[in-house]
Amino acid sequence: AQTVTQSQPEMSVQEAETVTLSCTYDTSESDYYLFWYKQPPSRQMILVIRQEAYKQQNATENRFSVNFQKAAKSFSLKISDSQLGDAAMYFCAYSYSGTYKYIFGTGTRLKVLA
Amino acid sequence: EPEVTQTPSHQVTQMGQEVILRCVPISNHLYFYWYRQILGQKVEFLVSFYNNEISEKSEIFDDQFSVERPDGSNFTLKIRSTKLEDSAMYFCASSVTRGSSPLHFGNGTRLTVT
Repeated sequence: AQTVTQSQPEMSVQEAETVTLSCTYDTSESDYYLFWYKQPPSRQMILVIRQEAYKQQNATENRFSVNFQKAAKSFSLKISDSQLGDAAMYFCAYSYSGTYKYIFGTGTRLKVLA
Repeated sequence: EPEVTQTPSHQVTQMGQEVILRCVPISNHLYFYWYRQILGQKVEFLVSFYNNEISEKSEIFDDQFSVERPDGSNFTLKIRSTKLEDSAMYFCASSVTRGSSPLHFGNGTRLTVT
């Protein structure tokens, strides 16, 4: 069975610093996809970044980048130059080609300190 | 940018009553989903829907729940005889393909059962 684990319930980062959120997953599929979603206090789920498992290159979106370690089944999110608006819950999610079900981790609450 | 819209944003109902949560997915998306989040915690899969039928459902999605696409745009979740433990945030999502494309979420409906 596929699982997604986020072992950090809460993280803090100083404004303008860098923080890394961890995610590990378990799967026997070869064609799969990983996502990070941000949920601010407004509760909307916003896609931050997407990674295709068959791509070696780590995805980046402006200040957000991932460290995708396929062999270790690790998919961490790095946020550079943290801003107050980055404060939110961050969820790691997994899907595979052809699935009707996307699986989410339990989330990491990120606090940004001024 | 196209959005998933959900109504109402907040629904209060008495235990035992029926509620219908409504969603308008993004127009060119083919796959539709309902997720549930209790108290800002884990995002739980309820059901996915494609080609006018349920494609997958979780163990949470029992006979109390049903989904429907009554016309070409709306996608609804009905909860019959609500229970206190149904109080949660319900998110509708849609995707272009299954598995490879990200989920696009609505803003959610906060359901409070009293």
